[in-house]
Amino acid sequence: NAGVTQTPKFRVLKTGQSMTLLCAQDMNHEYMYWYRQDPGMGLRLIHYSVGEGTTAKGEVPDGYNVSRLKKQNFLLGLESAAPSQTSVYFCASSYPRAGGPTEQYFGPGTRLTVT
Amino acid sequence: RKEVEQDPGPFNVPEGATVAFNCTYSNSASQSFFWYRQDCRKEPKLLMSVYSSGNEDGRFTAQLNRASQYISLLIRDSKLSDSATYLCVSSIGSGNTGKLIFGQGTTLQVKP
Repeated sequence: NAGVTQTPKFRVLKTGQSMTLLCAQDMNHEYMYWYRQDPGMGLRLIHYSVGEGTTAKGEVPDGYNVSRLKKQNFLLGLESAAPSQTSVYFCASSYPRAGGPTEQYFGPGTRLTVT
Repeated sequence: RKEVEQDPGPFNVPEGATVAFNCTYSNSASQSFFWYRQDCRKEPKLLMSVYSSGNEDGRFTAQLNRASQYISLLIRDSKLSDSATYLCVSSIGSGNTGKLIFGQGTTLQVKP
């Protein structure tokens, strides 16, 4: 099993350009998440999904859109990139459990620079 | 107040030392707790789940104190390879979204 994979690993964008980050998981997990990590800020949740066809906003959703058309894929879109979106983006997945949330499994990250 | 608070460190310790990290969480309804390890420029990886009774995995021991709302991680006989950032994690209440809150991390540097 590959676990959680992310594409691309690195990207440089100019202000105003758009792009889509792809996350794929082969663990049949229901839940998927997109985070950004900035120095001194820790991991912040951008958007998440509790199942195919559903998405919800996290802590810092502005400037991003997501889609979960297939259970195994979770896409993060930047419609008009801004320098403030320079960050490392991590995707994660997990599964539901009656006793409370389970651990999340992370992809290797995408390092995005917006100039 | 942050939902999960950790001392960012860095903690600089010699090889073989014992080091302990604490973290506090603000939501008394949180049900799940974890410690993750993150190496520089890599993804976070699960180190341990934290159970009410405490749990041990080799040189690592995690404990939960629900009354005081803190979680601890003890590392015995530190190795150079333990140098990393350790993230304290709690669930967001008892909801069914699977969402977790990550602390900013505590940096550990183990010196020869």
